[in-house]
Amino acid sequence: DAKTTQPPSMDCAEGRAANLPCNHSTISGNEYVYWYRQIHSQGPQYIIHGLKNNETNEMASLIITEDRKSSTLILPHATLRDTAVYYCIVIGPGNQFYFGTGTSLTVIP
Amino acid sequence: EAQVTQNPRYLITVTGKKLTVTCSQNMNHEYMSWYRQDPGLGLRQIYYSMNVEVTDKGDVPEGYKVSRKEKRNFPLILESPSPNQTSLYFCASSLYSFNEQFFGPGTRLTVL
Repeated sequence: DAKTTQPPSMDCAEGRAANLPCNHSTISGNEYVYWYRQIHSQGPQYIIHGLKNNETNEMASLIITEDRKSSTLILPHATLRDTAVYYCIVIGPGNQFYFGTGTSLTVIP
Repeated sequence: EAQVTQNPRYLITVTGKKLTVTCSQNMNHEYMSWYRQDPGLGLRQIYYSMNVEVTDKGDVPEGYKVSRKEKRNFPLILESPSPNQTSLYFCASSLYSFNEQFFGPGTRLTVL
């Protein structure tokens, strides 16, 4: 099963880039890496996903290593509203999703 | 408005009393899923459905049932709830399993 490992918590100064790492060493060749975030106890919100190439959208950038065993989510200019739990997930066998416990990001004023 | 709705949002019940949490989406999505969230354990998938009449077990299916008779609805059934099923439950849907998932607002269930 493709599972992920993330640091439990991180801090980032407001206005600076937040770089959130994720290890997924058992990922298979056709599995995507997804990032979601959850603010308080609201439903998780999709951020970005990728397969092999780096991806960017209006919210964030996703950098995937060449061997695909790890990735980094980058929030280029973190704001207080980016304080949330960030989940890195991959699609498991049979289209199961493994969210894990995520990284709690605190953006500090 | 495209959305996933869940009902009820809050529920307090007693051990053994059957209950159903409804989930509905208006986006014509094929993939739907149920998760539970507990402190320190993150989000864990209970069941998922690739399409009508197709359901599969996730990580923690014990004590739960689901059905997918129509594309838009994916109810979660607890035949005999127990206190260890006290949790925050989320329903989600996506066009296909590899697309962005849209989550409902959550149902906070307490089983006494």
